[in-house]
Amino acid sequence: EAGVAQSPRYKIIEKRQSVAFWCNPISGHATLYWYQQILGQGPKLLIQFQNNGVVDDSQLPKDRFSAERLKGVDSTLKIQPAKLEDSAVYLCASSTIPRSTDTQYFGPGTRLTVL
Amino acid sequence: AQRVTQPEKLLSVFKGAPVELKCNYSYSGSPELFWYVQYSRQRLQLLLRHISRESIKGFTADLNKGETSFHLKKPFAQEEDSAMYYCALRGDTGRRALTFGSGTRLQVQP
Repeated sequence: EAGVAQSPRYKIIEKRQSVAFWCNPISGHATLYWYQQILGQGPKLLIQFQNNGVVDDSQLPKDRFSAERLKGVDSTLKIQPAKLEDSAVYLCASSTIPRSTDTQYFGPGTRLTVL
Repeated sequence: AQRVTQPEKLLSVFKGAPVELKCNYSYSGSPELFWYVQYSRQRLQLLLRHISRESIKGFTADLNKGETSFHLKKPFAQEEDSAMYYCALRGDTGRRALTFGSGTRLQVQP
């Protein structure tokens, strides 16, 4: 089966600019996650969707980050305006409806550099 | 609050030597524990989970609730095991997202 797709793979912007990332999960996966991975750290959840509803966005900096999952399939994550500390790899993951045996499958990530 | 700690940033061993990657966690309920691996230029992928109690690529991990640990072990390291390893936890209520440790880079030298 095709894996989780993300684009772009790399993005370089200047601080205060805006940027958007796109994710296409595995077909049929109801749950979609966005993680932020800063260099030297493990991934940290930003937001979790189930279908097109938000399950958990408690760690999303809502003053500058937003995300949507229209029609319960693709998702976009936006940063506006970007700060230097937003430089990180943004990972998208998907899984079937959460249960004890579900596995999260990760995309290749988008590496963001904010100058 | 849930937390995962991987105390070693880098573990370097020779081929054929035993490997133990340490993972300790903090969680008040009954967690699920996972090991994820990222090989060079590849995406993060699941290696094993504690509920499966299986050996994958020769790796095993046992959940020790008394010591709140989930160390990853392999008796004889291979060069192809060189990768970044992340321990992760999922709680038994509420959010189903993973909480990751900071990762340990395993280098297996020839």
